[in-house]
Amino acid sequence: EAGVAQSPRYKIIEKRQSVAFWCNPISGHATLYWYQQILGQGPKLLIQFQNNGVVDDSQLPKDRFSAERLKGVDSTLKIQPAKLEDSAVYLCASRQWGGLGNTQYFGPGTRLTVL
Amino acid sequence: GIQVEQSPPDLILQEGANSTLRCNFSDSVNNLQWFHQNPWGQLINLFYIPSGTKQNGRLSATTVATERYSLLYISSSQTTDSGVYFCASNQGAQKLVFGQGTRLTINP
Repeated sequence: EAGVAQSPRYKIIEKRQSVAFWCNPISGHATLYWYQQILGQGPKLLIQFQNNGVVDDSQLPKDRFSAERLKGVDSTLKIQPAKLEDSAVYLCASRQWGGLGNTQYFGPGTRLTVL
Repeated sequence: GIQVEQSPPDLILQEGANSTLRCNFSDSVNNLQWFHQNPWGQLINLFYIPSGTKQNGRLSATTVATERYSLLYISSSQTTDSGVYFCASNQGAQKLVFGQGTRLTINP
């Protein structure tokens, strides 16, 4: 089966600009996650969707970050305006269902550089 | 929330050597996963192992849930094993928390 798809793979922007990332989860996976991974650290959850509803966005900087998952399939993550500290890899992951168990599968990530 | 600690932070070995990576977690968990992040940044699932022992080729993992730790064993290391190894865990439906990772370098 096809894995989690993300685009673009790389993005370079200047601070205060806007940027959007796209994720297509594995077919049939109801749960979708966006993570931020800063260089040298483990991934940190930004937001979790169950179908098209938000389950956890407690670590999402809501003054500049937004995410949506219309129709419960694809998702977009937006940053507006970007700051230097947003430079990171943004990973999307999906899981078959939102209960206990089941592994998360990760996409290749989008590497964002803010200048 | 749950805390996840990994050791060692860095490990450099010669090809053919064996290695053991450790993951400690601060509370009881019902999900424990090991991932390998390759040099291109892709996170690959290695094991879903909330308890017990599993093996997959040269890799095996053991989680002792009552003592709150998990071990990842890599035998006969190859250069392609290089990268960062992460463990991650959660409780119930809470978010997955990652450790800081162990950077493994296998020299030819």
